[in-house]
Amino acid sequence: GENVEQHPSTLSVQEGDSAVIKCTYSDSASNYFPWYKQELGKGPQLIIDIRSNVGEKKDQRIAVTLNKTAKHFSLHITETQPEDSAVYFCAARTGANNLFFGTGTRLTVIP
Amino acid sequence: DAMVIQNPRYQVTQFGKPVTLSCSQTLNHNVMYWYQQKSSQAPKLLFHYYDKDFNNEADTPDNFQSRRPNTSFCFLDIRSPGLGDAAMYLCATSKTGALNTEAFFGQGTRLTVV
Repeated sequence: GENVEQHPSTLSVQEGDSAVIKCTYSDSASNYFPWYKQELGKGPQLIIDIRSNVGEKKDQRIAVTLNKTAKHFSLHITETQPEDSAVYFCAARTGANNLFFGTGTRLTVIP
Repeated sequence: DAMVIQNPRYQVTQFGKPVTLSCSQTLNHNVMYWYQQKSSQAPKLLFHYYDKDFNNEADTPDNFQSRRPNTSFCFLDIRSPGLGDAAMYLCATSKTGALNTEAFFGQGTRLTVV
């Protein structure tokens, strides 16, 4: 089955700096790579996703890059703000219905 | 407005006492999922329904069962909860099972077993 690894497990940045979270996946058949933000006591919320026919996607301060050859994808958050503090999960979809999650990154933005 | 609604948000149950968690959706999505998320871990898929077709993950314990009486509702039944079943349970939906269809999550139900 698919195996998604995520690094780092914790990340602290100063407000205004950039944050980068990286994930690798094992199944070359995976075609869809979402990123979720999970705040304390809440369910994951989709913040951005990328499909295998695209190398990069940007939405305001958030961008995701995908390297299918190397089987890794990354989340980039620029100009971080305290409200960006949360746990971020990457995921990969392989097969029709399975969404495999990485182990999560706890991001802390220090004001 | 919430599109995937889980009730209750917090559930306390006694060791061994059956408990049911519920999920409803207003999106008319075909697929509904149940995930278990333990503290500081990634969500782990337990099972999913594609319409009425039930799909169980190979490593989901028999103690966990699910029902989907109609498109809008899906239930997670834990027949005999153990201390190790304490977790956040997340319901999610997606329009189809296609590879690139996003999943929408509910707020979760935090289950405590005493």
